[in-house]
Amino acid sequence: GIQVEQSPPDLILQEGANSTLRCNFSDSVNNLQWFHQNPWGQLINLFYIPSGTKQNGRLSATTVATERYSLLYISSSQTTDSGVYFCAGEGLYNNNDMRFGAGTRLTVKP
Amino acid sequence: AAGVIQSPRHLIKEKRETATLKCYPIPRHDTVYWYQQGPGQDPQFLISFYEKMQSDKGSIPDRFSAQQFSDYHSELNMSSLELGDSALYFCASTRTGGFEAFFGQGTRLTVV
Repeated sequence: GIQVEQSPPDLILQEGANSTLRCNFSDSVNNLQWFHQNPWGQLINLFYIPSGTKQNGRLSATTVATERYSLLYISSSQTTDSGVYFCAGEGLYNNNDMRFGAGTRLTVKP
Repeated sequence: AAGVIQSPRHLIKEKRETATLKCYPIPRHDTVYWYQQGPGQDPQFLISFYEKMQSDKGSIPDRFSAQQFSDYHSELNMSSLELGDSALYFCASTRTGGFEAFFGQGTRLTVV
């Protein structure tokens, strides 16, 4: 399966700050998704974004498929944004094999 | 809207026992994935099924087996449980061919 690298591994912000999380893939991917894992362990879908840009409130994501990376932007962060953010994708030629990155642990302080 | 249902939510087993985890995908989803997430780790891909056939295999131990049934629900069978099998086990479902995957709430397995 593909290798997924996320950066930074940890991020501490003050409430109101903006941040950018990055995800690099070892190969071309299908079905690229961003998730937020809340303190109860639930994986919440943020974006399904194999290419292009999407926005949802204070969050937006951009995937540049030809360069094998995706970015998640969080603006005006709130304490409730804290948690672990994962990206995951499937290799273009290897479906049904969705692999996760190691995650970015975000802590937003009041 | 219907979501992915996993049962049980919590399970406590002793070493060397067996466990069966169940996953009910979203209706009309034909693909199921299983993941294992240890404390502080990212979800590790175990196995996937498409149309009731094994599709891909990740780091699934030989002590584990899984299958997808005619109604598309899937079961993960775990035998000779070890302390290291304690983890959160997720199931996800999707429609194959470029669609968003959705996760269940997970089964937290504790082996004592």
